[in-house]
Amino acid sequence: DAMVIQNPRYQVTQFGKPVTLSCSQTLNHNVMYWYQQKSSQAPKLLFHYYDKDFNNEADTPDNFQSRRPNTSFCFLDIRSPGLGDAAMYLCATSRAGTGTRYGYTFGSGTRLTVV
Amino acid sequence: AQTVTQSQPEMSVQEAETVTLSCTYDTSESDYYLFWYKQPPSRQMILVIRQEAYKQQNATENRFSVNFQKAAKSFSLKISDSQLGDAAMYFCAYKWQGAQKLVFGQGTRLTINP
Repeated sequence: DAMVIQNPRYQVTQFGKPVTLSCSQTLNHNVMYWYQQKSSQAPKLLFHYYDKDFNNEADTPDNFQSRRPNTSFCFLDIRSPGLGDAAMYLCATSRAGTGTRYGYTFGSGTRLTVV
Repeated sequence: AQTVTQSQPEMSVQEAETVTLSCTYDTSESDYYLFWYKQPPSRQMILVIRQEAYKQQNATENRFSVNFQKAAKSFSLKISDSQLGDAAMYFCAYKWQGAQKLVFGQGTRLTINP
């Protein structure tokens, strides 16, 4: 089945140690998103890629970066994780244009713990 | 700025009964889409139902239906014949036709009592 896959499901990292979360998709969607979801809160958009074009949200900290080497893969890099970055990170995809009326397809998320 | 508000942090319902989750939103746009997503514990978020703002008819998907009141900017979700598998966090979301961004409400945690 076509899907959005996030690895790993659980990630523990040390305070200040760079960490990378990955997302892959087999849907051939041209838009990929990264959301941060803290406990019992709404998902918050960090940034998205529309094809190769990177779109950062105004309030996304500089500590968060992203890479999209090809259509299928997208990475979230946290350069120096702080305790406040502990959260669930959700990857999602959509097809721009008429496809976005159908909403997003989400991965299962990566739960990041910072120790 | 577009905002989505879910005023019920938690709801509970008896199995086989009907429950309605509330959602209001604020936008100055006329062409947009509204969604309800379900997020079970430790599982991925899945789309439950969607509504195009230009359609007056309320969307329905099996036991799930919406009450879309465009003038009031209200978009509630009704779950009929509630089942134990319906227990989850439910998020209301908004997307303007001209943007990629999906804006979520704070969520409502739904508990189903056997």
